[in-house]
Amino acid sequence: EAGVTQFPSHSVIEKGQTVTLRCDPISGHDNLYWYRRVMGKEIKFLLHFVKESKQDESGMPNNRFLAERTGGTYSTLKVQPAELEDSGVYFCASSQEGTSRKTQYFGPGTRLLVL
Amino acid sequence: RKEVEQDPGPFNVPEGATVAFNCTYSNSASQSFFWYRQDCRKEPKLLMSVYSSGNEDGRFTAQLNRASQYISLLIRDSKLSDSATYLCVVNTPSFGNEKLTFGTGTRLTIIP
Repeated sequence: EAGVTQFPSHSVIEKGQTVTLRCDPISGHDNLYWYRRVMGKEIKFLLHFVKESKQDESGMPNNRFLAERTGGTYSTLKVQPAELEDSGVYFCASSQEGTSRKTQYFGPGTRLLVL
Repeated sequence: RKEVEQDPGPFNVPEGATVAFNCTYSNSASQSFFWYRQDCRKEPKLLMSVYSSGNEDGRFTAQLNRASQYISLLIRDSKLSDSATYLCVVNTPSFGNEKLTFGTGTRLTIIP
């Protein structure tokens, strides 16, 4: 079974540009999460989708970040315009609804560097 | 205060030794507890869940003390392949959200 995939694996952009990250969860997983790790800090929650609905977006840093999950399959996270402090590793995770503990499986992450 | 606090490490341990990691969490409403393992430049992977009664998986033993809000991980007979960062992770459900809260991680290096 394929795991969570993310694209691109790396992105280097200039301040003020736009970047869109994509996440494909494990097939059949209704829950999709975005997390971020900035250098020297712990991994932090950004938001949670259940199917196509945003369940919780309390971790989104500001309105420069926009996440979508049209159709309840893959998700995109757009940063516009990017700032230097947005640099970090963006992880996506998915879990299956209806199972106990709902283990979250992580993708390999997208390493974003804003110059 | 951070929601999840871990030993900062790094831990440099000879092969075959036993090593223990500790973690505390601040939110008493937390319900699920995990240890994740993260290799360099890789994604976190679930090592094991932590149950109130304590649980063991091969060389790994996890303990949870809800009263003290304390979680531990014990690795016995450590192998070179155990070198990684170990993340203490807590799930505090809220309005159907199962978001995970991570500690900063403890880096372990097993020395031949």
